[in-house]
Amino acid sequence: GENVEQHPSTLSVQEGDSAVIKCTYSDSASNYFPWYKQELGKRPQLIIDIRSNVGEKKDQRIAVTLNKTAKHFSLHITETQPEDSAVYFCAARGYSTLTFGKGTMLLVSP
Amino acid sequence: DSGVTQTPKHLITATGQRVTLRCSPRSGDLSVYWYQQSLDQGLQFLIQYYNGEERAKGNILERFSAQQFPDLHSELNLSSLELGDSALYFCASSVLQGTPANTGELFFGEGSRLTVL
Repeated sequence: GENVEQHPSTLSVQEGDSAVIKCTYSDSASNYFPWYKQELGKRPQLIIDIRSNVGEKKDQRIAVTLNKTAKHFSLHITETQPEDSAVYFCAARGYSTLTFGKGTMLLVSP
Repeated sequence: DSGVTQTPKHLITATGQRVTLRCSPRSGDLSVYWYQQSLDQGLQFLIQYYNGEERAKGNILERFSAQQFPDLHSELNLSSLELGDSALYFCASSVLQGTPANTGELFFGEGSRLTVL
């Protein structure tokens, strides 16, 4: 089945800095790559997704890039704010279902 | 509010016992997914149903079982519980089938926190 590796497991930045979270996947047939944000004690929520026919997608301060050849995709958050502090999960849609990475805890210090 | 309802929110039980977690998907969603979230394991996929039928299965233990009923609500049954089963169990729903050509956003419920003592 699909295997998704996510790095780093924790990331601390200062407010206003950029944050980058990277994921790799194993199934070359995967075609859908969402990112979910989970605030403490809350449910995961989709923040952005990208499909395999697109290389990059932006939504205000967040962007996702996809390199199908290398089988990796990344989340970029610019001008980070304290409310960006949360756990971020990448995921890949393989043959059978949506597989998540283990998550990155992002801490944004004021 | 995602529109996905999970009950109970919290459950404390003893080893060897059996529990049932319930999930009502968003109105109109035919797919239901179950995920287990432990501290160091992220979101582990357990099982998916689409319109009453099992669609995909992850690393779900034989002690666990699930089903989706005609009204589309789903139940996850956990039996012979062990300490290691303590986790947050999420249900998510989607209007799409979840196949490679037909997949999209999952809407998660608030989760059911299971504590096994």
